[in-house]
Amino acid sequence: NAGVTQTPKFQVLKTGQSMTLQCAQDMNHNSMYWYRQDPGMGLRLIYYSASEGTTDKGEVPNGYNVSRLNKREFSLRLESAAPSQTSVYFCASSEVTELDTDTQYFGPGTRLTVL
Amino acid sequence: DQQVKQNSPSLSVQEGRISILNCDYTNSMFDYFLWYKKYPAEGPTFLISISSIKDKNEDGRFTVFLNKSAKHLSLHIVPSQPGDSAVYFCAPAYGQNFVFGPGTRLSVLP
Repeated sequence: NAGVTQTPKFQVLKTGQSMTLQCAQDMNHNSMYWYRQDPGMGLRLIYYSASEGTTDKGEVPNGYNVSRLNKREFSLRLESAAPSQTSVYFCASSEVTELDTDTQYFGPGTRLTVL
Repeated sequence: DQQVKQNSPSLSVQEGRISILNCDYTNSMFDYFLWYKKYPAEGPTFLISISSIKDKNEDGRFTVFLNKSAKHLSLHIVPSQPGDSAVYFCAPAYGQNFVFGPGTRLSVLP
C-alpha cells in the first residue's frame, strides 16, 4: 500500500515548455486534488476531482489543465510553463461523502523550477 | 484576503514544554478543522482534526481546541519533543473545500 505517489520528484523546465505531473493513489479514494506550495504561503488548490470523470477549478487554476484518467490517477499539465509556476506541487486524495469531510492524504511532492 | 491565518511564522520551544500553535479563520462555513504536519521534502501528513460540534479533541500528546465564536483554533503539544520540529498547517474545511493556512515552523530545542 503505497498511498499517494507522484512523479517526477524534481523537474527543471524552460519557459514555454510543457510537461505533465503524474499522481496515483491506491486507497480507492473518490476525490483527488492538486495543490501548489510557495514560500510563506499555505497550500493553494489548483484543481480537484470529486470523482472519476469530473474536475473542478480551485483557487489558482490559470495555466494548468488536469485529467482524471481513472479512479486511481489524476494528472496535472502545464501547457506553456512560466517562471511564476516555479513551486512545489502536491497531489492528495480523500474519501469525501456529501455529508462528511474526510482527511486528505498527500504525496511526497514534485519540485518544479521554470527558468 | 486570507481566509486562514497563522500569525506566528515560527515558534521555538524547549523540549518537555508545551507548544501552542494558533490559527484564525474568517469563513463561517467551515465545519471541520484539521492540522497537518510537514517535514522538509515530504508531503503534509494528517495530525488531528475536530468537528465544529466539539470544542476539544485530544489524541495522545496533541489537543486541538476550537472556539467557533472567535473563529479561532489552537493546537497544543504536551510535552514537546525534538521530533515534533516541523511546519504545522491548519486547514479549515467544508465539504471538499480545504483552505490551508501559511504554516508555523515549530522548533523544539533539546
